[in-house]
Amino acid sequence: QVQLVESGGGVVQPGRSLRLSCAASGFTFSSYAMHWVRQAPGKGLEWVALISFDGNNKYYADSVKGRFTISRDDSKNTLYLQMNSLRTEDTAVYYCARDIGDGDYFRHWGQGTLVTVSS
Amino acid sequence: DIVITQSPDSLAVSLGERATINCKSSQSVLHSSNNKNYLAWYQQKPGQCPKLLIYWASARESGVPDRFSGSGSGTDFTLTISSLQAEDVAVYYCQQYYSTPGGTFGQGTKLEIK
Repeated sequence: QVQLVESGGGVVQPGRSLRLSCAASGFTFSSYAMHWVRQAPGKGLEWVALISFDGNNKYYADSVKGRFTISRDDSKNTLYLQMNSLRTEDTAVYYCARDIGDGDYFRHWGQGTLVTVSS
Repeated sequence: DIVITQSPDSLAVSLGERATINCKSSQSVLHSSNNKNYLAWYQQKPGQCPKLLIYWASARESGVPDRFSGSGSGTDFTLTISSLQAEDVAVYYCQQYYSTPGGTFGQGTKLEIK
């Protein structure tokens, strides 16, 4: 079965960096595009970033463009999110999600990892 | 950007009664090329990731009880729980995925037992 396990969250000061990981199993990772979606505490869901199955195409929400970088290592079946110049408003649970292929709705999610940006 | 607005923000329904949650899009999410509405519904319980309930506005995800149904087209959509069970207490989100990538989510509707 599809399994996605995020890691790398924690407490970080504003302006600093953090890298999240998402370990995938139960499917052929290299065949699927992957997403990051976040949820601020007590708030709704916000799509963050998408990487194509081959890593050649990357897309970002305006709120993170220029600060976050999505990447993948198919040899490790792992998705990454490099987050630089963090702001307090980036505080959220970050989920990775597998692309479906026929529309950007999300069937498979990880359990999430909490990032807290605070001085 | 397409803005999604859910109503109500919170809802209390008696066990066994019908629960209805509405979702309105600022522009149509009906794609003329395939006549599909790019609208999904999710259920999120405390401490858990969202769970896909409905996609293409009315297609029920495998394993989801048939008391959950989705309807609507264009800009106005509804999630209906025909007979509320205790385990249905959760926050429900709709998402438009007409605008890619990623789409946008509604603010959520908190469903409780009356």
